[in-house]
Amino acid sequence: GAGVSQTPSNKVTEKGKYVELRCDPISGHTALYWYRQSLGQGPEFLIYFQGTGAADDSGLPNDRFFAVRPEGSVSTLKIQRTERGDSAVYLCASSSGEHTEAFFGQGTRLTVV
Amino acid sequence: DQQVKQNSPSLSVQEGRISILNCDYTNSMFDYFLWYKKYPAEGPTFLISISSIKDKNEDGRFTVFLNKSAKHLSLHIVPSQPGDSAVYFCAASAYGNQFYFGTGTSLTVIP
Repeated sequence: GAGVSQTPSNKVTEKGKYVELRCDPISGHTALYWYRQSLGQGPEFLIYFQGTGAADDSGLPNDRFFAVRPEGSVSTLKIQRTERGDSAVYLCASSSGEHTEAFFGQGTRLTVV
Repeated sequence: DQQVKQNSPSLSVQEGRISILNCDYTNSMFDYFLWYKKYPAEGPTFLISISSIKDKNEDGRFTVFLNKSAKHLSLHIVPSQPGDSAVYFCAASAYGNQFYFGTGTSLTVIP
């Protein structure tokens, strides 16, 4: 596709459940980022992939959060035992390399009830 | 700790006038800066960027200025148009790593 695609666009889940959020980056982009945005805040960094490996996962808040990018393209953000505080918009972005802009998807709005 | 700060949560400007959005940062290792524009229910859209080796970058109505000694950057929009009304985020990165974002400034351009 032409841009970064995220699915689903909306996800409502019950507290304690497991969720997976998917990101399809722009074809050929080696760098992929996951961010989380709460109301009134800027995007908060979660994890950054360069190719298949996580170059920086320092933003993951705890071990309930995990992300993979097995073939260096599509990435999945996985959240176990969801909590109400996990409710936010989860944004994915990709870029073609260093000192280049990152292009964002439309985000997945996660609501934990 | 917020490494990128946007101290003005909102700004209103008359159509045709200049909009100036400001951003301050604390990390002297940042070497690449960007501005994003965000409409409700959409992801941020890239607007303009600047490398630390420059102090100005211009693209049409948008100009970004970088003052490294003050650790300050600004985005100028001239002339402002109603379609520019959105939330603007500045972001910074060091050596191609993650981007750090400010909290955003909501710009309203009044027709």
